[in-house]
Amino acid sequence: NAGVTQTPKFQVLKTGQSMTLQCAQDMNHNSMYWYRQDPGMGLRLIYYSASEGTTDKGEVPNGYNVSRLNKREFSLRLESAAPSQTSVYFCASRPKRGASVYEQYFGPGTRLTVT
Amino acid sequence: KQEVTQIPAALSVPEGENLVLNCSFTDSAIYNLQWFRQDPGKGLTSLLLIQSSQREQTSGRLNASLDKSSGRSTLYIAASQPGDSATYLCAVRPEGAQKLVFGQGTRLTINP
Repeated sequence: NAGVTQTPKFQVLKTGQSMTLQCAQDMNHNSMYWYRQDPGMGLRLIYYSASEGTTDKGEVPNGYNVSRLNKREFSLRLESAAPSQTSVYFCASRPKRGASVYEQYFGPGTRLTVT
Repeated sequence: KQEVTQIPAALSVPEGENLVLNCSFTDSAIYNLQWFRQDPGKGLTSLLLIQSSQREQTSGRLNASLDKSSGRSTLYIAASQPGDSATYLCAVRPEGAQKLVFGQGTRLTINP
């Protein structure tokens, strides 16, 4: 089991460029999440997908779009990157209630810099 | 709106000491509370999960307690080691919500 994987690990973009962050989990989890982590702000939820085919906004969705491609994969797209989107992005997944020890499982993160 | 606070923001102790990290939350309507460890430049590693009906959970040298009515949780680390140095995050899952609400973390340094 690889758990939750994210690509790329690092990325530098120029303002206005677009990119897609990829996330995949092999634990057969239903729910998947995208968070961003900024110094002094903690982790904040961008978007989540409670199940395949559904997506919902979190606390800070502006400037992002997501796609739940299938049960395994949940991608995050920045259409026109801005310096304020410089952050570390974490993908997470959650099993059904009672199906596992932990609430959410996190990927290793993508460190994005927008210049 | 649920808010999670961790105090202190940073803590430095000598090796071998027992220590307590604190987490407080403003709304007691939670499903569960989870403690994570984050090493510099790395992702989050789950440590302990306490369901709302539970009072504590233990794993090795770690013990986490939950007092839902007062909105508090503590993470107790026994016989600290330099390898315990990391940032420790707590997060709650509010009732009726899908997301976790995180505290800002306590950066722990264990000095040899």
